[in-house]
Amino acid sequence: DTGVSQNPRHKITKRGQNVTFRCDPISEHNRLYWYRQTLGQGPEFLTYFQNEAQLEKSRLLSDRFSAERPKGSFSTLEIQRTEQGDSAMYLCASSLEGQGNSPLHFGNGTRLTVT
Amino acid sequence: AQTVTQSQPEMSVQEAETVTLSCTYDTSESDYYLFWYKQPPSRQMILVIRQEAYKQQNATENRFSVNFQKAAKSFSLKISDSQLGDAAMYFCAYRSAELYGNKLVFGAGTILRVKS
Repeated sequence: DTGVSQNPRHKITKRGQNVTFRCDPISEHNRLYWYRQTLGQGPEFLTYFQNEAQLEKSRLLSDRFSAERPKGSFSTLEIQRTEQGDSAMYLCASSLEGQGNSPLHFGNGTRLTVT
Repeated sequence: AQTVTQSQPEMSVQEAETVTLSCTYDTSESDYYLFWYKQPPSRQMILVIRQEAYKQQNATENRFSVNFQKAAKSFSLKISDSQLGDAAMYFCAYRSAELYGNKLVFGAGTILRVKS
């Protein structure tokens, strides 16, 4: 178990640019979640996958955000035409479903700063 | 939609003492799970303790225990014999037991400071 890995750890971009983050879940985990966390707040749900299927997207997620999980392994989160309000920590988590109440395991996050 | 409320933005405790962090939640569901997660500064979030709503017995994990009051929709975390390493942001979280509805819903968090 190498844990959930997220890259990059930090990303600074100019407003209007596109950015892409990657998440590698724990290998046997079939569920993968993306959350956004701003300073001093709790994580806010964005979307989640079971295997390669995206099962739920937050209504708060604008059309500029898109996530994929090809082949049910790693996932990418892309933000197009970034805005200053997108500045936040983006957290990825994974879990193994089908075994009852399994907890989410979180990565270290990607901190995005939009200037 | 479910909501989680943590009414204490910040708490302090003396090393070796006991502290209780509060959490309330709102749901119309009867079956769900509750969690406490710990997020140390600049480090990843880790699970502290979890509780299944159908279990009446309060969960315990070493120095950590919960007081789960289902009727009151309350889920507090008690940390006994506090240690410096307990200093962190603590999040209470709710998760539906529905098969395809089980994302975590987090509260705003409580910063715990431990004084030596």
